[in-house]
Amino acid sequence: DVKVTQSSRYLVKRTGEKVFLECVQDMDHENMFWYRQDPGLGLRLIYFSYDVKMKEKGDIPEGYSVSREKKERFSLILESASTNQTSMYLCASKGTSGTGELFFGEGSRLTVL
Amino acid sequence: AQSVTQLDSHVSVSEGTPVLLRCNYSSSYSPSLFWYVQHPNKGLQLLLKYTSAATLVKGINGFEAEFKKSETSFHLTKPSAHMSDAAEYFCVTAYDKVIFGPGTSLSVIP
Repeated sequence: DVKVTQSSRYLVKRTGEKVFLECVQDMDHENMFWYRQDPGLGLRLIYFSYDVKMKEKGDIPEGYSVSREKKERFSLILESASTNQTSMYLCASKGTSGTGELFFGEGSRLTVL
Repeated sequence: AQSVTQLDSHVSVSEGTPVLLRCNYSSSYSPSLFWYVQHPNKGLQLLLKYTSAATLVKGINGFEAEFKKSETSFHLTKPSAHMSDAAEYFCVTAYDKVIFGPGTSLSVIP
């Protein structure tokens, strides 16, 4: 089974702090994604990566950056956390071959005070 | 352009009665279609997927969905709801982009 692991399930940070959210997948997938999920707004794509060191902006990249130094790891970085970044963050991966489904991690719930 | 519509934001059923969650898609091409389930404070789990093989797709936990091209629909059904089915359900289409529907919250009344 594909496993996508998000290292932190719950985080509480202060405004202005730098925040790292880590995601690791074990199925050698080329594509990895970061979404945020907010009530009433659904899932919104922040960034995705289709290969090591490659990244593409999604629908809401402002205030975020990403890093993909190794194929299995995709990190989301909040350079200076703000209260409007309080949200549930979901990482997903997808292979290039196969039927195209996304495999999700358990999510990281971030609260910025 | 691709899009997904989930016609009900919230559905409530009694335990043991059938479940119907509706999804319509819009795509110029034959899409891949998926249903995901999300329990509170959890990630999304794949229930089932349609990828142009059989139009009736069986998934996990007794769920199934039927792809109807003429109606551009991919409704999710289950014959008998269980309390553990209470969750958020997302219809998803993928062609060149992955598009999520807004979700349907399913409540199951004992």
